[in-house]
Amino acid sequence: RKEVEQDPGPFNVPEGATVAFNCTYSNSASQSFFWYRQDCRKEPKLLMSVYSSGNEDGRFTAQLNRASQYISLLIRDSKLSDSATYLCVVNGGYNKLIFGAGTRLAVHP
Amino acid sequence: ETGVTQTPRHLVMGMTNKKSLKCEQHLGHNAMYWYKQSAKKPLELMFVYNFKEQTENNSVPSRFSPECPNSSHLFLHLHTLQPEDSALYLCASSPDVPPGNTEAFFGQGTRLTVV
Repeated sequence: RKEVEQDPGPFNVPEGATVAFNCTYSNSASQSFFWYRQDCRKEPKLLMSVYSSGNEDGRFTAQLNRASQYISLLIRDSKLSDSATYLCVVNGGYNKLIFGAGTRLAVHP
Repeated sequence: ETGVTQTPRHLVMGMTNKKSLKCEQHLGHNAMYWYKQSAKKPLELMFVYNFKEQTENNSVPSRFSPECPNSSHLFLHLHTLQPEDSALYLCASSPDVPPGNTEAFFGQGTRLTVV
């Protein structure tokens, strides 16, 4: 089983749509979780950290379910500029950040 | 600009060449990483350094040799590479704050082509 699993997509959605990505992780001892965004041919950049209580940053909401070892990202009111690959990232301990393969999002007019 | 600088940005090398990739950060971070990103594959963790000590070697072939002379600099020495080693090599750094949030900042990567 992969350490971090994501649906590769692509998710093709119209502007204004709400879209949700899911991610599962295998190491129950993992302590911290993140969503990164990677644009084509660019480096990954942190989108948001994921807290146990769930957290929101503008149009983006992240949720963590430790019991199910599951992380989600919800994007509301999608913009064209949201088109990118979204990477689920888990800290496996000792700063060992493990990346999922990413979910590709394409927002169209 | 994330504060992590990688050079060179692009590199073409023959299979018998020896080259080095350089990464530099002045963010005061104590953890540095090398990742490999091949086309249509997830980022693969190669090496982790904490406080200049290697804490992770993710079964990387010996033709890749990391060096961390201080917590601001990280090198990846390359020799006798294979064409399948062609990829984007990303360096990252993060504060050493386990087990809390350890956001990683990435450099722009070195796009390596082995011919």
